[in-house]
Amino acid sequence: DIVMTQSPDSLAVSLGETATINCKSSQSVLYRSNNKNYLAWYQQKPGQPPKLLTYWASTRESGVPDRFSGSGSGTDFTLTISGLQAEDVAVYYCQQYYSSPRTFGQGTRVEIK
Amino acid sequence: QVQLQQWGPRLLKPSETLSLNCAVYGGSFSGFHWSWIRQSPGKGLDWIGEINHSGGTNYNSSLKSRVTISVDTSKNQLSLKVTSVTAADTAIYYCARDAGSGSNHGYFDLWGRGTLVTVSS
Repeated sequence: DIVMTQSPDSLAVSLGETATINCKSSQSVLYRSNNKNYLAWYQQKPGQPPKLLTYWASTRESGVPDRFSGSGSGTDFTLTISGLQAEDVAVYYCQQYYSSPRTFGQGTRVEIK
Repeated sequence: QVQLQQWGPRLLKPSETLSLNCAVYGGSFSGFHWSWIRQSPGKGLDWIGEINHSGGTNYNSSLKSRVTISVDTSKNQLSLKVTSVTAADTAIYYCARDAGSGSNHGYFDLWGRGTLVTVSS
């Protein structure tokens, strides 16, 4: 199974500042044949199911604010929240879909400083 | 607007069978893969398995011997059964739609609200 490791486990960021979450996979999730990274990011607020933010590492889901951006390739990925807003307080998960079983990172909690 | 509605027993005793259903309203069922994912209290997310509209399945090997996912296309429903449950199966269980297609699938754009299933004697 591909192990997904996120860092940090939690971070506190001031309103309007930038939050950066890292995700590392135990093996590459880049398919050479189509040059796509099989990596998604989700946001989960208390009492709610996860919400898809980005897929293919950097493609933003429809309706997701453009302050959320995904980047990276191979084994190292980043979710950046630019201009943090109060409603962004949540736990964020990365997930690989390069191979089965699909696996998620342990989550990163984002709070307001 | 497509919605996923889940239901099923929320309290089980050890050794019983967990059985959950998920109905798709307001959208197409065919052409998608559908997954079950669980989240233990205060923990992360674990993918249980998936099924396509034709009934083809793919399970996480960690649960494979105890899990069955099935589909009833006439009702736009999918189901999950987990046999011989223990306290370790206590979790919020989600059904989710796979947004991808063909071989490029595996990320989830639509989720049910989740069902907390507690296993306790």
